[in-house]
Amino acid sequence: DTAVSQTPKYLVTQMGNDKSIKCEQNLGHDTMYWYKQDSKKFLKIMFSYNNKELIINETVPNRFSPKSPDKAHLNLHINSLELGDSAVYFCASSQRGVEDTQYFGPGTRLTVL
Amino acid sequence: AQSVTQLGSHVSVSEGALVLLRCNYSSSVPPYLFWYVQYPNQGLQLLLKYTSAATLVKGINGFEAEFKKSETSFHLTKPSAHMSDAAEYFCAVRNNAGNMLTFGGGTRLMVKP
Repeated sequence: DTAVSQTPKYLVTQMGNDKSIKCEQNLGHDTMYWYKQDSKKFLKIMFSYNNKELIINETVPNRFSPKSPDKAHLNLHINSLELGDSAVYFCASSQRGVEDTQYFGPGTRLTVL
Repeated sequence: AQSVTQLGSHVSVSEGALVLLRCNYSSSVPPYLFWYVQYPNQGLQLLLKYTSAATLVKGINGFEAEFKKSETSFHLTKPSAHMSDAAEYFCAVRNNAGNMLTFGGGTRLMVKP
């Protein structure tokens, strides 16, 4: 069984559209994350979220918003897509504590035309 | 704020040769350090982690890393490279104020027959 899953795996869309990427984890973790990997493979945290707090990387445009219907899901909604949003987006999860290891999903490759 | 520097964006070794991937970190408090591997078109997989226990950490697939506080380093090694080790490797430091990861720029390991 997949621990952290994301859908879709590939997403191609036009500039100006709104899209969502879904993430689910079956590890029972209390914290989930979204990361962006650019074309040069550089990985950057976008959000950290558990049922108590949302931590937003200050560099993330407010067009991006995480939505969590429950503890096992953290979806990423993006409004008014721009060319620069093209990247691979990774979801991750962890259980807060000393052994706070993050487990990553397979990624969603977003291409904005 | 923490930061991670990976020296060498590309490393090429022959099959059977020693693998050495360099990682230096900057942290004002004792860090938690991680190495992840990313195979082509896949998500990140945890190789190993340092959480202030033993300074020599053994991971999966024969990899290990040594935490050296005096050098602020956490280099990844493997005695004998295998063709299947070809991938992108990321070093990361965890934010002790929360649980966000800061990644280095990644090192692409190429293994020649």
